[in-house]
Amino acid sequence: EDQVTQSPEALRLQEGESSSLNCSYTVSGLRGLFWYRQDPGKGPEFLFTLYSAGEEKEKERLKATLTKKESFLHITAPKPEDSATYLCAVSSGTYKYIFGTGTRLKVLA
Amino acid sequence: DTAVSQTPKYLVTQMGNDKSIKCEQNLGHDTMYWYKQDSKKFLKIMFSYNNKELIINETVPNRFSPKSPDKAHLNLHINSLELGDSAVYFCASSQVGTSGPYQETQYFGPGTRLLVL
Repeated sequence: EDQVTQSPEALRLQEGESSSLNCSYTVSGLRGLFWYRQDPGKGPEFLFTLYSAGEEKEKERLKATLTKKESFLHITAPKPEDSATYLCAVSSGTYKYIFGTGTRLKVLA
Repeated sequence: DTAVSQTPKYLVTQMGNDKSIKCEQNLGHDTMYWYKQDSKKFLKIMFSYNNKELIINETVPNRFSPKSPDKAHLNLHINSLELGDSAVYFCASSQVGTSGPYQETQYFGPGTRLLVL
């Protein structure tokens, strides 16, 4: 059965304290791995799509990487405005995403 | 311009009532989805529609009936609402590519918060 597990469930960082979020997956035939950011009371906001092992993508303080079993979302020198829930999803076949339960990130000033 | 919009944003209703949620996307995508997010923030797919055709129905009770009048709209009608239907419902859309790299990135609406009393 396809599965996505995110860790940690929650993470508190001081402003400027870099860290990584993990997304482990078990899927038959990965078509894509997706990272989203979700703020309270809002819909998931697209961040990155990764298609193959070894691929990396960056956006401001965020960098996503992909291996054959997991993906990392690295946050460099985070700011309080980076506080949100970060969701990982995989696509194993057209039309279907499987989401992880997310990592709640809190960055303290 | 809002890419994926949903109405209403909030919906409070009594058990047993029938309600509808509307979704529209202006991205020109050919595939639309409904997801349910529970109190633990877990997002689970309910339905997928491609070019107005139902593709995925993830063992959702038949009290839930999606309707897609055209590629830009996917509405969700819920009959005989139950307490357990309380959740946030998200609509999403994507353009499903036929050649690589797969352009399956899904874009989400703001959500409809349903509370059944």
